[in-house]
Amino acid sequence: AQKVTQAQTEISVVEKEDVTLDCVYETRDTTYYLFWYKQPPSGELVFLIRRNSFDEQNEISGRYSWNFQKSTSSFNFTITASQVVDSAVYFCALSEGGMDSSYKLIFGSGTRLLVRP
Amino acid sequence: DSGVTQTPKHLITATGQRVTLRCSPRSGDLSVYWYQQSLDQGLQFLIQYYNGEERAKGNILERFSAQQFPDLHSELNLSSLELGDSALYFCASSVEGVSGGPGGEQFFGPGTRLTVL
Repeated sequence: AQKVTQAQTEISVVEKEDVTLDCVYETRDTTYYLFWYKQPPSGELVFLIRRNSFDEQNEISGRYSWNFQKSTSSFNFTITASQVVDSAVYFCALSEGGMDSSYKLIFGSGTRLLVRP
Repeated sequence: DSGVTQTPKHLITATGQRVTLRCSPRSGDLSVYWYQQSLDQGLQFLIQYYNGEERAKGNILERFSAQQFPDLHSELNLSSLELGDSALYFCASSVEGVSGGPGGEQFFGPGTRLTVL
């Protein structure tokens, strides 16, 4: 069965601290896709990254970096030198294809990040 | 701006009523996904259409239905509304690959916030 677990419900940090958001997934497929989305207070869902199961290279984009480890079924997200504008709810999601050939997203419960000035 | 539009932005209605939510995907995207975000259930996949045909169903109630029109816009119809249907409803569109295979990321619209009184 597909499942995404974000064990951290809420994290609070002071500006300029580094913070890591954890994501653990479950899937029986060998081909799958992992995503991170940001939901700021305004409510929209903003795409951050997509990673396929065959690409375990870590990725860095500015202050954001992602660590994908198939051995531990984890896809963690680190924000370096956090800023107040990073305050949002962050969702990790999994997509497989599956028997219905649908690439629907299975979301984790989200982690609310509060960055204090 | 993701390029996905949803109308209306807010909808307030009474129990027992019927409403229609509309979604226009990004130009060229054949797939439309509908998701529901509620406090108790989190972000859940409801239904997917690909090029006018239903591809997959998730936890969608029988009182809910959807369709995708020849111009690729989609509508989600919610009937016999109950208090528990109050939620944020998102649609997302995606470029699927050949024959509807895995494509890129899903881009989300701004959502329709439904309040049932």
